[in-house]
Amino acid sequence: QKEVEQNSGPLSVPEGAIASLNCTYSDRGSQSFFWYRQYSGKSPELIMFIYSNGDKEDGRFTAQLNKASQYVSLLIRDSQPSDSATYLCAVNLRSNYQLIWGAGTKLIIKP
Amino acid sequence: DAGVIQSPRHEVTEMGQEVTLRCKPISGHDYLFWYRQTMMRGLELLIYFNNNVPIDDSGMPEDRFSAKMPNASFSTLKIQPSEPRDSAVYFCASSSLGQEQYFGPGTRLTVT
Repeated sequence: QKEVEQNSGPLSVPEGAIASLNCTYSDRGSQSFFWYRQYSGKSPELIMFIYSNGDKEDGRFTAQLNKASQYVSLLIRDSQPSDSATYLCAVNLRSNYQLIWGAGTKLIIKP
Repeated sequence: DAGVIQSPRHEVTEMGQEVTLRCKPISGHDYLFWYRQTMMRGLELLIYFNNNVPIDDSGMPEDRFSAKMPNASFSTLKIQPSEPRDSAVYFCASSSLGQEQYFGPGTRLTVT
């Protein structure tokens, strides 16, 4: 069973702090890794993707991938109340183009 | 650029009725995915197409569900007959080369 695991939260972070979201996956053949943000009542929105080990930065967001340990994380610097949402981790297997989805972590940024 | 377009945005129907959900993918994208999202089960892949051909429909819950993609710019997901347990938000997503997926706004289906 190929799985993607996330802590469901809620994760509460004060405004201006760094929010750290984590995701582990079971299939070592996983090739591509995605972070989506979903506001309540809205559709998932792609915010970051990463393919190689290491860090990838985009504005206030940094995705970190460690294939040896099979985890991917998302850091949000200078957290804003507008970052409050559910963050979904998704993993693309080598064998096909399906994304395996985590259940999501609910993030709450407190002013 | 227009994103993925879905219609209707909301659908309320009675048990036993036929429901048809529609999706227009992003122009040039060659993969199209249908998902269902509920609080209990999260985001579930129902079926996906590549170049209008269904590739994997193992997520389709039962024979009451069917999906078609008659051309590169249109797909439908049909439920016949509908049941209350089909109530969920149905998303369509598209991608190029099977990588990053971009989601439509979803159709919120309520079956009474």
